[in-house]
Amino acid sequence: DTEVTQTPKHLVMGMTNKKSLKCEQHMGHRAMYWYKQKAKKPPELMFVYSYEKLSINESVPSRFSPECPNSSLLNLHLHALQPEDSALYLCASSQVTGGAIYEQYFGPGTRLTVT
Amino acid sequence: GESVGLHLPTLSVQEGDNSIINCAYSNSASDYFIWYKQESGKGPQFIIDIRSNMDKRQGQRVTVLLNKTVKHLSLQIAATQPGDSAVYFCAENMGRGGNEKLTFGTGTRLTIIP
Repeated sequence: DTEVTQTPKHLVMGMTNKKSLKCEQHMGHRAMYWYKQKAKKPPELMFVYSYEKLSINESVPSRFSPECPNSSLLNLHLHALQPEDSALYLCASSQVTGGAIYEQYFGPGTRLTVT
Repeated sequence: GESVGLHLPTLSVQEGDNSIINCAYSNSASDYFIWYKQESGKGPQFIIDIRSNMDKRQGQRVTVLLNKTVKHLSLQIAATQPGDSAVYFCAENMGRGGNEKLTFGTGTRLTIIP
């Protein structure tokens, strides 16, 4: 199984709503990532989790709150978002073994629209 | 056909021809590079990678070349097919051991003309 799954595929939310994005992988990867991709732009890293601990936060606003409840799951909790937060949110995972680097596998993304 | 990535975001190539997509990366300390393909409505799909101790790597119909002197990366796709139409991103990696930070280039849209 070399698949990263994300739910929901599409999400429309108001600026006062609270919602969550979910990501799951069963490849035994111990690093998981959240990226944000605006239309016609490259993905931009938001957060990195390594062994279920937050290792990188790219100065993301606190209205985005990541969570890694176990080695297979990654959540992104959303609260009080702004219309400019509308984007494709991508999850990725990769192996972590010593000092080696491995490719990241991406999910299909959640298309988020904030109204 | 050939593109310079950051300066020419679109490339059209006749089916069956070879294509070259170029990318300039920014950090001389980057030690790992990946090419991703992204089709409309999908997440990036891994194509090929190369580590900084190599200058060339070949896959099936694809070759990546790395020139560290000028911080340049290229992706060659041989005998292009309609299914190759997509946006192609290069990405450079800093960090390791769970602290990998991928920085993506601006991308090049490749269109295969039947």
